[in-house]
Amino acid sequence: QVQLVESGGGAVQPGRSLRLSCAASGFTFSQYVMYWVRQAPGKGLEWVAVIRYDGARKQYADSVKGRFTISRDNSKNTLDLQMNSLRVEDTALYFCARKRDAFGSGSFNRFDPWGQGTLVIVSS
Amino acid sequence: QSVLTQPRSVSGSPGQSVTISCTGTSGPLGDLESVSWYQQHSGRAPKVMIFDVNKRPSGVPDRFSGSKFGNTASLIISGLQAEDEAEYYCCSYAGTYTWLFGGGTKLTVL
Repeated sequence: QVQLVESGGGAVQPGRSLRLSCAASGFTFSQYVMYWVRQAPGKGLEWVAVIRYDGARKQYADSVKGRFTISRDNSKNTLDLQMNSLRVEDTALYFCARKRDAFGSGSFNRFDPWGQGTLVIVSS
Repeated sequence: QSVLTQPRSVSGSPGQSVTISCTGTSGPLGDLESVSWYQQHSGRAPKVMIFDVNKRPSGVPDRFSGSKFGNTASLIISGLQAEDEAEYYCCSYAGTYTWLFGGGTKLTVL
């Protein structure tokens, strides 16, 4: 079945870096737009980044632009998020999610499915 | 800065109907042409309940519906059930390949 499994979370000091990964299975990864969405403890969802199915287009939330980099390896079915210059406010559960339909078809606003998330704690 | 505003909480008794609103501010969000709704139970990943304003994925009960009027989208849950108690988030495509979530609404089933 379709599955997304995040990894790479942990505790890190402010200013340091961390790299998250999302392993995809059960579908043709190279055909789907992928997203990162985060949720600070006790807070709401925040869209973080998106990458097109071929990696040719990427976009970031203003809160992470210039510090985070989204990438994908379609040969390994993995989605990554390189997080540099981490701040306390980056502390959150990070989810990867897939656009429901392949390529440009279907809704542009249907994140389905989601992984279970990986927790990042930025603290001194 | 564009914002999607949701009520912090709503409540209803089993069998009743509740409506959760999502109001967009300036720019593309004001159109809310592509708004989706996500349900999140505590400690779980979000699940899409409605997309493109009023489309329901297969497997989502028809008790869930969506609508839009002006710059306000709504999620309507009829025939409330205990398992509907969760946090609900609206999400809008904000243009230029970006998305925005609302602040979330906690639904309590009394």
